[in-house]
Parts: sequence; structure tokens; C-alpha cells
Amino acid sequence: GAGVSQSPSNKVTEKGKDVELRCDPISGHTALYWYRQRLGQGLEFLIYFQGNSAPDKSGLPSDRFSAERTGESVSTLTIQRTQQEDSAVYLCASSLLGRNRIRYEQYFGPGTRLTVT
Amino acid sequence: AQSVTQLDSQVPVFEEAPVELRCNYSSSVSVYLFWYVQYPNQGLQLLLKYLSGSTLVKGINGFEAEFNKSQTSFHLRKPSVHISDTAEYFCAVTENFGNEKLTFGTGTRLTIIP
Repeated sequence: GAGVSQSPSNKVTEKGKDVELRCDPISGHTALYWYRQRLGQGLEFLIYFQGNSAPDKSGLPSDRFSAERTGESVSTLTIQRTQQEDSAVYLCASSLLGRNRIRYEQYFGPGTRLTVT
Repeated sequence: AQSVTQLDSQVPVFEEAPVELRCNYSSSVSVYLFWYVQYPNQGLQLLLKYLSGSTLVKGINGFEAEFNKSQTSFHLRKPSVHISDTAEYFCAVTENFGNEKLTFGTGTRLTIIP
């Protein structure tokens, strides 16, 4: 079946502009995650959705970052007034939430490479 | 808070030689442990995971890892590597109860030398 998809695959934007990154999770996956991968570094957690609510936003680096999710489907990560330090690969992942709060593995999308000039 | 340390940022290995990629974690509660692989220009793919039970877990492509609670380690091993194993490998941890996020190490770039 289809995996997690993200769009665009690459985005170049000027400093100060707003950008929107999109994630389509695997159908039926209730949980959705956003991560950021800066050059030469590991992945940093940004935000987690269960359905369309976000119980954990602790990783969002500033109030310029926001995310929303429509039901149990598409999510959008918005970065306002982009800065050069926002340049990174933004990865989305989705997973099932089983009974008794059992989590399953996270499946990752290919990422969006954001370059702020 | 949980953390993951991958001390080796780069590991060069000759083809058909064995390899071990090291991962140590820190957490105040029980954890789930994962190894992900990222091939060049591709997304992350799960190699293997430890949830409970046997401390030796086997994954795809001939990789295995051993959970050592006393040493808080989850090292990844393969007895004989191939050119196709060239990739970046990430160790990750998540806590058992309620914490949803994966905490990743900084990654180890495995380069196979022909």
C-alpha cells in the first residue's frame, strides 16, 4: 500500500517568507509526527498528533512554527517568517495506536528539504 | 528525559567484514529501542526494534541488535557487510508509558570499502 507522502520534496524560500509543508500519512494511522533533521545532526522531534489533537508540541522551536491536522489525515506544518536556521529536512511519520496504549512503529515519509536563502 | 548517544559518527568497513554500530541510551523509565536506516536520498526505514522479551532482536538485511539493560546499550551488528549496506544508521528510543516521541541519536555513517 501507499506509504507516507510529503510535499513538496524540495522548497527554497527567501528569509522572512512563510512556508507550508504537507504530510499525507498512511491511511488508518491515527498518530502523526513531525521531526526536523538539520545537516549532520540527528532527528529532532517537533510535534505529535493523535487524531487532530496535539498532545505534545514540546519540540516546536519557536512560535513561528505551527501545525494542524485534519481529522486522521493530512497535516500541515507552517513556518512563518523563515530564518536561515530553519533550513533542514522536515520529516513526517505516522503510526497506529493499538489497544492498551500500545504503540507501533513509526513509518517515515521521504521528507521535505527546506532551504532558506 | 531520555537521550541517545551514538559515539561513532563514521564507520568505514571492508566488504564482507563484520561491523558493530554502538548505541547507548539514558532514561529514567523502561524504553522501546529502535534502529533506523537511511539510504542515500531515501527516507528512514525501520531495521529492527526491541519492545520486550528476548534481548537479541533480528532485523532486516541480516542485522541484529542486543539490548543490554545494565549497560544501557543497544548495539547493532552484522557479521558480513555488503556494499549495499552503505547508509546512515540511527538509533532511537521512546519511553513505554505515554511519551510518544522518538528521541534519535546523531547517526552513524557506515561506509563499505570494496
